[in-house]
Amino acid sequence: KAGVTQTPRYLIKTRGQQVTLSCSPISGHRSVSWYQQTPGQGLQFLFEYFSETQRNKGNFPGRFSGRQFSNSRSEMNVSTLELGDSALYLCASRFRAASYEQYFGPGTRLTVT
Amino acid sequence: TQLLEQSPQFLSIQEGENLTVYCNSSSVFSSLQWYRQEPGEGPVLLVTVVTGGEVKKLKRLTFQFGDARKDSSLHITAAQPGDTGLYLCAGGDNNNDMRFGAGTRLTVKP
Repeated sequence: KAGVTQTPRYLIKTRGQQVTLSCSPISGHRSVSWYQQTPGQGLQFLFEYFSETQRNKGNFPGRFSGRQFSNSRSEMNVSTLELGDSALYLCASRFRAASYEQYFGPGTRLTVT
Repeated sequence: TQLLEQSPQFLSIQEGENLTVYCNSSSVFSSLQWYRQEPGEGPVLLVTVVTGGEVKKLKRLTFQFGDARKDSSLHITAAQPGDTGLYLCAGGDNNNDMRFGAGTRLTVKP
């Protein structure tokens, strides 16, 4: 079974631009979560989607948004990029929201200049 | 504020040594996971523990969940350079919402 895939793997953007990242979960998994990882803050939860509905949201500004499609694929969008948004963005899938185990993708490395 | 405190933050040891890393919280968790992450990659799930006092072994790795389900430890026997990485613990609440610790960065020198 293929793992979680994320595209693109690397991205360089300029302050003020917006960006969209994509995540395809493991086949059959219906829950997708997004995390931001930085050296200073560690792994911070952004949001989780289950069956196309946002189930939970972390403490991030409204510039960070996401959605999930009927095939469980998910996208996250960051508008008006700031230098501090430079991070590794990780997507994780699980079979359902009540499942214990999450499986992570390789991440998208976003650099904002 | 981290819900889960991991210690030590950094650990550098020689190949063949044993080590233990810890994951502590004041909260009770319904489940706890350990992950290992290598640079530039996503975390890889190592184990899930759900029962207080549970001990799981994965080759040279031994995981223990505290009796009160507030803490956990990971013990590695005869560490190898391939064990190098960031070890993360994650706790799940009653809704299985997951929160991560800041991690222990382990370096095993040959």
